[in-house]
Amino acid sequence: EVQLVESGGGLLQPGESLRLSCAASGFTFSSCAMSWVRQAPGKGLEWVSSISGSGGSTYYADSVKGHFTISRDNSKNTLYLQMNSLRAEDTAVYYCAKGRSAYGPDHFDSWGQGTLVTVSS
Amino acid sequence: QSALTQPASVSGSPGQSITISCTGTSSDVGGYDYVSWYQQHPGKAPKLMIYDVSNRPSGVSNRFSGSKSGNTASLTISRLQAEDEADYYCSSFTSSTTLVFGGGTKLTVL
Repeated sequence: EVQLVESGGGLLQPGESLRLSCAASGFTFSSCAMSWVRQAPGKGLEWVSSISGSGGSTYYADSVKGHFTISRDNSKNTLYLQMNSLRAEDTAVYYCAKGRSAYGPDHFDSWGQGTLVTVSS
Repeated sequence: QSALTQPASVSGSPGQSITISCTGTSSDVGGYDYVSWYQQHPGKAPKLMIYDVSNRPSGVSNRFSGSKSGNTASLTISRLQAEDEADYYCSSFTSSTTLVFGGGTKLTVL
């Protein structure tokens, strides 16, 4: 059974940094592209970033480019999202999502339960 | 990276069929057969219902079907049931090698 467990969310002040983690199990992690999708309170889904199975290719939404960095450690079956210079508009539940292919942004056949990031002064 | 356009809400009675549209451009929905649909119940993570325009993952009811014509994709739910009440989101791969979601549609089962 596929399991994705996010961690690292919390309450931060504007300008601070945070790293989210997503521990994966139940599938061959290195064979699947992984992504982060966020959902602001009461709002819709927003794709944030994706990374290929090898980690060699990364993709970002314009809203986070230069601001967030996605990475993965295939030896630890873990996905990361480094979030720098956080802004109020980054407040959201962040979901880790598994892609069906090894490559770029695709559809997501498994999702974690999400971790809440709140940016407020 | 403008969001795909979905109706804010749709409704139907049990047993009826409803269709949710998802309109994009030739750079996303119209250019690729990589449209997906997700169901999200309140407080829960999204669930994949349709991928690659019209494919259903294992375990998803055959009451859910997807199609595409030009720049508009559609999700049809037949024989509506109370448990279908949820938010539905479409998504599409784009020519910028990114992904874009629709704004979401709230389905109410009357």
